[in-house]
Amino acid sequence: AAGVIQSPRHLIKEKRETATLKCYPIPRHDTVYWYQQGPGQDPQFLISFYEKMQSDKGSIPDRFSAQQFSDYHSELNMSSLELGDSALYFCASGSGGAYEQYFGPGTRLTVT
Amino acid sequence: QKEVEQNSGPLSVPEGAIASLNCTYSDRGSQSFFWYRQYSGKSPELIMFIYSNGDKEDGRFTAQLNKASQYVSLLIRDSQPSDSATYLCAVANTGNQFYFGTGTSLTVIP
Repeated sequence: AAGVIQSPRHLIKEKRETATLKCYPIPRHDTVYWYQQGPGQDPQFLISFYEKMQSDKGSIPDRFSAQQFSDYHSELNMSSLELGDSALYFCASGSGGAYEQYFGPGTRLTVT
Repeated sequence: QKEVEQNSGPLSVPEGAIASLNCTYSDRGSQSFFWYRQYSGKSPELIMFIYSNGDKEDGRFTAQLNKASQYVSLLIRDSQPSDSATYLCAVANTGNQFYFGTGTSLTVIP
């Protein structure tokens, strides 16, 4: 079965640079969630989209923004990167009427 | 108080034994409860979800929900070394926000 696709899988950036992470949900899923997971931490919810509209907002810094496009893929834009932004970034997808979330493989971001 | 709390472990059980993982949550109105398995460096994998009080069984896994006591548990029967992972409890609260616990590390000893 098709799963959530994330790209890139690994990304190295310097401080103050920008990064864009992409997420392609499972076909026919209309909801996308973004999470940040630091080493030894639980996933922290950042933001979610349902039917291309922002549906919920968590602990997403003002330096980050995200959107969901007409084909339901989503992009997380991160600016003015800081060392503390180094983490695994997961995208999960779901179907609007249900709460189950299926995670992608993640993007490992390293800020140097 | 965190929305979702789990014992961080580590929890060690011998192969073939029952592993019992527990989770409590703070929002009494929460309706949806999930267990994810996460191997080191990998993404969380949904293994069980439960919405109603009582037990829900799927193969070797049983999720138990007690809304009055605000806890949800996961039992793994006939534990295998491949079950060794971190198990994350997640709860969707009344605001439809999704919270994870910090996870319980399980080691199944051959």
